[in-house]
Amino acid sequence: AQKVTQAQTEISVVEKEDVTLDCVYETRDTTYYLFWYKQPPSGELVFLIRRNSFDEQNEISGRYSWNFQKSTSSFNFTITASQVVDSAVYFCALSENTGNQFYFGTGTSLTVIP
Amino acid sequence: GAGVSQSPRYKVAKRGQDVALRCDPISGHVSLFWYQQALGQGPEFLTYFQNEAQLDKSGLPSDRFFAERPEGSVSTLKIQRTQQEDSAVYLCASEGQKNTEAFFGQGTRLTVV
Repeated sequence: AQKVTQAQTEISVVEKEDVTLDCVYETRDTTYYLFWYKQPPSGELVFLIRRNSFDEQNEISGRYSWNFQKSTSSFNFTITASQVVDSAVYFCALSENTGNQFYFGTGTSLTVIP
Repeated sequence: GAGVSQSPRYKVAKRGQDVALRCDPISGHVSLFWYQQALGQGPEFLTYFQNEAQLDKSGLPSDRFFAERPEGSVSTLKIQRTQQEDSAVYLCASEGQKNTEAFFGQGTRLTVV
């Protein structure tokens, strides 16, 4: 079973629009960590955010914000006033306290059209 | 360097050839991971090291895949008798403390022809 599901394969938005990338996860651990990574065309995965399972506070960093809801096992990512430079593939990932790996979703490819 | 460095960036191998992919993690990072990323997919876990100890190799797809980290720093992923299905990007990541931010290299794109 997939531990991290990103149902949106591709999204296109016009510059300055807001966009939300969905992430749903599955785990039996009570302690776990959620991440978002950005993968531009260069290929390197760039860390965006890490949340632990005990901290459900939403977080805002500039134009980026994250909504963590344990009740729905979701960790969604919103980009406000999108820019062309935001075009990339975005991955949500889960790390369990009892495990040794990061579980990645299949990614959402975001294209921001100028 | 400041980040995770992988070499070569690109590798073309003939089917049946052995290849070795290198990863230089961030200095002092205890944890090191190898991931395989097929085109259009998310990274899939291969193996995990804590210092020189390979604590988890559950993701290695076959016994043709072998990884080592003999001195707890540089790591090598070796693939023997490469096959076309091995074509992918191989990503290395290192982590200072467990379950914190993992820093990824740019990957090695392996194409088996």
